[in-house]
Amino acid sequence: RKEVEQDPGPFNVPEGATVAFNCTYSNSASQSFFWYRQDCRKEPKLLMSVYSSGNEDGRFTAQLNRASQYISLLIRDSKLSDSATYLCVVNSPRGNTGKLIFGQGTTLQVKP
Amino acid sequence: GAVVSQHPSRVICKSGTSVKIECRSLDFQATTMFWYRQFPKQSLMLMATSNEGSKATYEQGVEKDKFLINHASLTLSTLTVTSAHPEDSSFYICSARDTSALYGYTFGSGTRLTVV
Repeated sequence: RKEVEQDPGPFNVPEGATVAFNCTYSNSASQSFFWYRQDCRKEPKLLMSVYSSGNEDGRFTAQLNRASQYISLLIRDSKLSDSATYLCVVNSPRGNTGKLIFGQGTTLQVKP
Repeated sequence: GAVVSQHPSRVICKSGTSVKIECRSLDFQATTMFWYRQFPKQSLMLMATSNEGSKATYEQGVEKDKFLINHASLTLSTLTVTSAHPEDSSFYICSARDTSALYGYTFGSGTRLTVV
């Protein structure tokens, strides 16, 4: 089983739609959770950290369910510029090394 | 904010040659840097953790003699792909952790390596 699993998609949605991505992680000892955005042939960029209480940044809302080891990202009012791959990222709790474990990514294509 | 400079951004080399990739933290000190590899349509896979002043820690399955890592200063880590083969063609990305900021991971812009 992969340490971080995501549905690769692609998700094809019209502008203005609301879309949700899900992610599960296998190590219950993980403490830090993030969503990164990666554009084609570019480096990943931090979209937002994910906190236990859930957090929102503009059109983006992240949720964490520790009991189910499940993370979600909701994008409201999708824009064309939201088209990218969204990476679910979890810290590796082993040895306090600061390592990050990346999911495969979910591809979003927003159409006009 | 924290910036990581990685170069070259793109390199094409012949089989059997070696390629060096540099990763610099520009405005912060990074005692730890991470090297990732990403094949098309796949996620980033951690290759090794680079520690300033000590040996790098390699992930399982990554050949340390093939992927040489040097982290001689608090702002520079290098990855050398030795005796490159076409199957080493990939997108290599470094990341540095700004320990002064909470969970401050910053990525370099990546190096696209093509071995012909």
